[in-house]
Amino acid sequence: AQSVTQLDSQVPVFEEAPVELRCNYSSSVSVYLFWYVQYPNQGLQLLLKYLSGSTLVKGINGFEAEFNKSQTSFHLRKPSVHISDTAEYFCAVSDRGGAQKLVFGQGTRLTINP
Amino acid sequence: DGGITQSPKYLFRKEGQNVTLSCEQNLNHDAMYWYRQDPGQGLRLIYYSQIVNDFQKGDIAEGYSVSREKKESFPLTVTSAQKNPTAFYLCASSMVQIGQLKNIQYFGAGTRLSVL
Repeated sequence: AQSVTQLDSQVPVFEEAPVELRCNYSSSVSVYLFWYVQYPNQGLQLLLKYLSGSTLVKGINGFEAEFNKSQTSFHLRKPSVHISDTAEYFCAVSDRGGAQKLVFGQGTRLTINP
Repeated sequence: DGGITQSPKYLFRKEGQNVTLSCEQNLNHDAMYWYRQDPGQGLRLIYYSQIVNDFQKGDIAEGYSVSREKKESFPLTVTSAQKNPTAFYLCASSMVQIGQLKNIQYFGAGTRLSVL
């Protein structure tokens, strides 16, 4: 079965600093990879996705992620964060075939300090 | 506006009571999903449905039931058999297209269920 590990449960960062949120998945088959963001008491919003092609994926709000097949990782990065980036971030994976159910990591809470 | 509507936003359940959470979408998506979110545990799949009148259990289906009588609606019932129902419940939907990109899931705003 698929599993996703987000290595940091909380990441505090100062405003305008760079940030990396780490995600590793376990799979021996080809997968789709996603990052979602959740603001307090809201649903999830898709930040970016890797489906195929270029391993560097750009998303909304200045975020990007790099798919590394050999390390089974899909880390999320932003070169300069803003107070409004304070939220919880979820990495998710699905198989390319079958029902394509999403399996989520435990989430990383990103806190931006002024 | 197209989207996924979950209601109510907050719901309280008494002991032994069944409660139903509503999820409606006007995105013309084929597939719909229910997730449970607990602090520090991410999202766990309860049930999903890829077509009307058909649904499958997810990872934590015990104590829950669903129906899919209409394409746009996928209500979730939390039964009295669910002993720890306090959580944030999220509904999602996605398009199912043969040979094309599938399963970009779009989420509703959630229902927070608490036990009285």
